[in-house]
Amino acid sequence: AQKVTQAQTEISVVEKEDVTLDCVYETRDTTYYLFWYKQPPSGELVFLIRRNSFDEQNEISGRYSWNFQKSTSSFNFTITASQVVDSAVYFCALSEAFGTSYDKVIFGPGTSLSVIP
Amino acid sequence: NAGVTQTPKFQVLKTGQSMTLQCAQDMNHEYMSWYRQDPGMGLRLIHYSVGAGITDQGEVPNGYNVSRSTTEDFPLRLLSAAPSQTSVYFCASSYLASGEQFFGPGTRLTVL
Repeated sequence: AQKVTQAQTEISVVEKEDVTLDCVYETRDTTYYLFWYKQPPSGELVFLIRRNSFDEQNEISGRYSWNFQKSTSSFNFTITASQVVDSAVYFCALSEAFGTSYDKVIFGPGTSLSVIP
Repeated sequence: NAGVTQTPKFQVLKTGQSMTLQCAQDMNHEYMSWYRQDPGMGLRLIHYSVGAGITDQGEVPNGYNVSRSTTEDFPLRLLSAAPSQTSVYFCASSYLASGEQFFGPGTRLTVL
């Protein structure tokens, strides 16, 4: 069965600090997809990134970077030089390509990030 | 494109009442799903559908029914509302389960 763990419930950082949000997943499939979504205080859910299990290259997008390590089943998200606008709840999610039933997307419990000015 | 729309935005029910949360998308997406969001619990999958006529249970399906008669619509029915179903409900759609999901704005439901 698929499972996503985000052990950090809440994180507070001072503006301009770097912060890493951890995501650990469980799956028995060899083909799967990992995602990160952001939920700002306004409540909408915003897609950030998608990664398939065959692509372990790290990705950087501006101040955001993602580190995917199959050996530790982790897909961590780093924000460099954090800003107040980064304050949000961040969710990691997993979709198995060939699960025991139809494909579905399971989310972790989320990490609430507060960036203090 | 309107994207994913949900109605109503807010709803208050009494215990035992039934109601349907509406979800529609205009992106011709095959995959649609319903999540509930509770403090500290993240987004938990209720039901999902991989295409018209095909639905399956997620992590927390009890007390909810779904059907998918068209590609566009995926309503969520509460059969007999209970206070434990007080939550924010999100509908989402994507081309495939492996793709980027587009979320509706959510429905805040309170069951008294």
